[in-house]
Amino acid sequence: QKEVEQNSGPLSVPEGAIASLNCTYSDRGSQSFFWYRQYSGKSPELIMSIYSNGDKEDGRFTAQLNKASQYVSLLIRDSQPSDSATYLCAVNKGRETSGSRLTFGEGTQLTVNP
Amino acid sequence: DGGITQSPKYLFRKEGQNVTLSCEQNLNHDAMYWYRQDPGQGLRLIYYSQIVNDFQKGDIAEGYSVSREKKESFPLTVTSAQKNPTAFYLCASRMTSGAYNEQFFGPGTRLTVL
Repeated sequence: QKEVEQNSGPLSVPEGAIASLNCTYSDRGSQSFFWYRQYSGKSPELIMSIYSNGDKEDGRFTAQLNKASQYVSLLIRDSQPSDSATYLCAVNKGRETSGSRLTFGEGTQLTVNP
Repeated sequence: DGGITQSPKYLFRKEGQNVTLSCEQNLNHDAMYWYRQDPGQGLRLIYYSQIVNDFQKGDIAEGYSVSREKKESFPLTVTSAQKNPTAFYLCASRMTSGAYNEQFFGPGTRLTVL
């Protein structure tokens, strides 16, 4: 089992729809969770971080964390063509076990069609 | 203008050569990281450093070496022992104080072995 798994994609949604990206992780001791957006040929850009159970909203983005289910998701409302990118889920196990290393999923490619 | 810089943007290497990739940050971040990304895959950790003059191996350190003589700089050397070095190399940094573990990335160096 991979430490961090994302829905394989690619995911295609029409403009204006809600895009839902999912991520599961294997280590119950994980403390911090991140979503990065990566445009083709570019480096990852941090768009959301979440540390406690529940929802965290920032503009059109909502991150959801459920530690009991070891599940974190990213919702993009009113999707725009400019949201077309690969989204990477990253998990931090916490200082005491990993020195604050991040483990990344393989990414989900999202295409928003005009 | 604070940020993380990587140079060069593109690098071509002949087989058997060592090459050094530069990473500099002026964010006053304590920790720095090197990742490798292969096409269609997530990021894999090569080396990381949380303080000057100290660094740890990541998941794929074989064939790579690093140094951390200054807080601002964390160069990566890809040695001839690395069998498949063609990849996108990403440097990241973060603060180690406080409760948050957010890592921020430089623009990357794309290395091609000829």
